[in-house]
Amino acid sequence: EVQLVESGGGLTRPGGSLRLSCAASGVTVSRNHMTWVRQAPGKGLDWVAVIYSDGRTYYVDSVRGRFTISRDTSENTLYLQMDSLGAEDTALYYCGSLKDTIGGPPGGMDVWGQGTTVAVSS
Amino acid sequence: DIQMTQSPSTLSALVGDRVTITCRASQSVGPWLAWYQQKPGKAPKLLIYEAYNLESGVPSRFSGSGSETDFTLTISTLQPDDFATYYCQQYFSYWTFGQGTKVEIK
Repeated sequence: EVQLVESGGGLTRPGGSLRLSCAASGVTVSRNHMTWVRQAPGKGLDWVAVIYSDGRTYYVDSVRGRFTISRDTSENTLYLQMDSLGAEDTALYYCGSLKDTIGGPPGGMDVWGQGTTVAVSS
Repeated sequence: DIQMTQSPSTLSALVGDRVTITCRASQSVGPWLAWYQQKPGKAPKLLIYEAYNLESGVPSRFSGSGSETDFTLTISTLQPDDFATYYCQQYFSYWTFGQGTKVEIK
């Protein structure tokens, strides 16, 4: 069974840091394009970061320079290191894998975790 | 950045209705568009990819169409399990979601 399980969320103060983890089973993190998406309370979905199977990483403008996406092949785990957190980063964070597209860009998120909640407040 | 605009934001419908949700991109995204269904307290679920391809296990009452800037998700015969929020997402240039369409019981 393919499964992604996020952890590491919690409450932190503005300016603080958190590291989110996404433990994978049934999917190999290093062989797939993996991504983080977040959803603020009562709001829609926002893409945050991606790490391609070849190791390239990309970020949405609002987190570039503050967040770092990475993976551990031996642990088959995806990470999101989040620094300089602000209230605007408060959200439920989902990890996911992207469908490979033949002759096209990495596609929709076909596997999702259950999410981990990040709250930033003084 | 590519912006995605869905309409309507909320849709009231009855079981058995045909439901259509539209999604417009601020620039061409080719066929690189996905649709998701999200129920309260749950992660989104991929329904459609590449504009019209049905994800494995998704009922055939769901269908997608369109290309470039204008896309449609259609539910041919609305079922009780379909009351949820639906999102479109472009993946031509990074990933951008629409703001969502809530399908509620009329």
